Amino acid sequence: DAMVIQNPRYQVTQFGKPVTLSCSQTLNHNVMYWYQQKSSQAPKLLFHYYDKDFNNEADTPDNFQSRRPNTSFCFLDIRSPGLGDAAMYLCATSRGGTPSNEQFFGPGTRLTVL
Amino acid sequence: GQNIDQPTEMTATEGAIVQINCTYQTSGFNGLFWYQQHAGEAPTFLSYNVLDGLEEKGRFSSFLSRSKGYSYLLLKELQMKDSASYLCAVRGVRRDSNYQLIWGAGTKLIIKP
Repeated sequence: DAMVIQNPRYQVTQFGKPVTLSCSQTLNHNVMYWYQQKSSQAPKLLFHYYDKDFNNEADTPDNFQSRRPNTSFCFLDIRSPGLGDAAMYLCATSRGGTPSNEQFFGPGTRLTVL
Repeated sequence: GQNIDQPTEMTATEGAIVQINCTYQTSGFNGLFWYQQHAGEAPTFLSYNVLDGLEEKGRFSSFLSRSKGYSYLLLKELQMKDSASYLCAVRGVRRDSNYQLIWGAGTKLIIKP
């Protein structure tokens, strides 16, 4: 089955210790997104790739970086995690260009910062 | 600014009907999505409305009124597995190469036996 895969599902890191979350997809979608979601809050878009074009949200901290080495993979790097970065990180994909195209989500990575 | 409002939490009884409302104010409108999210899991797509009216899909229906900036999700014959958060998201203006998607905080639906 075509899907969006995220690894790891659970990540524990220490304050200030860099961490990388990964996402892969078999849907062959050209758009990939990274969201941060805290409990009972809306998903917050951090950035997205439209093909190879990187689009950063204006309020995404510099602490968050992303890489998309090819169509299938996308990484989220948190350079110096703080306690406030503890959250669920969701990767999503979609076909671009048409507003009706829905986003398909991976199962998420729950990040704990000690 | 842009905002989407949904009730924070609702409770309903198994077998009953529940309506979850969503109102929005956005700069531009290119459709409205409903997603279901079980606790600790990823959102999954339920429906998309871009024209006014009711769209029915099994036990779930979604309604849109663009003039009122209003949508609702109607769930019939409620089952315990319907306990989840329901997120409303509006497709806004095209920015750069993609269309914005503005998310509501979600409505937590609790189903009681």
